[in-house]
Amino acid sequence: KQEVTQIPAALSVPEGENLVLNCSFTDSAIYNLQWFRQDPGKGLTSLLLIQSSQREQTSGRLNASLDKSSGRSTLYIAASQPGDSATYLCAVIRGSGGGADGLTFGKGTHLIIQP
Amino acid sequence: SAVISQKPSRDICQRGTSLTIQCQVDSQVTMMFWYRQQPGQSLTLIATANQGSEATYESGFVIDKFPISRPNLTFSTLTVSNMSPEDSSIYLCSVEDPGLAGDETGYNEQFFGPGTRLTVL
Repeated sequence: KQEVTQIPAALSVPEGENLVLNCSFTDSAIYNLQWFRQDPGKGLTSLLLIQSSQREQTSGRLNASLDKSSGRSTLYIAASQPGDSATYLCAVIRGSGGGADGLTFGKGTHLIIQP
Repeated sequence: SAVISQKPSRDICQRGTSLTIQCQVDSQVTMMFWYRQQPGQSLTLIATANQGSEATYESGFVIDKFPISRPNLTFSTLTVSNMSPEDSSIYLCSVEDPGLAGDETGYNEQFFGPGTRLTVL
């Protein structure tokens, strides 16, 4: 059974700092990995998707890497801003033979950026 | 990306009653999913809503408790039946968006609705 772990569970840093969020998964046979942010009382916003054949994806100040063989992904946030405060969730697509499947989520990292 | 709406956005219900949650997508999508997020927890997949056939449920979830309909490629409902306080959660639907290329290889991004916050008294 796939398990996804995110470290740290919570993080508070001053504005402007660069930071790294970590995600690990137990079964390396994934099809892709997706990072989301969740704001209080709201749904999930997709940030980045990394296909299993890729090693990283970038969007603005965000960079996500994937090391499938070691079962790890990182989300790098550059020059953090108070608006980045949210819970960040890592999720992997379970795969049993291609085609779409549900996501297995980690418990998230609760990020606070101090002004 | 697909735009997803859910109704209701929140509800407070009495024990023993049922609530039906609607999920509407602004474009046709093949795959739709329902998730539950219990207080302080991450998301757990309930089932895959299959168009024209019975939903596929995950371990620990059964059709009698969470009946799902998927009458077409843009709409689905999840019913939470015979509710108890333990059913208090956020319920979210998601879709897989094949994007412009219509790629069905499974590498597609998933998008979520805003969620339905359910409180059972």
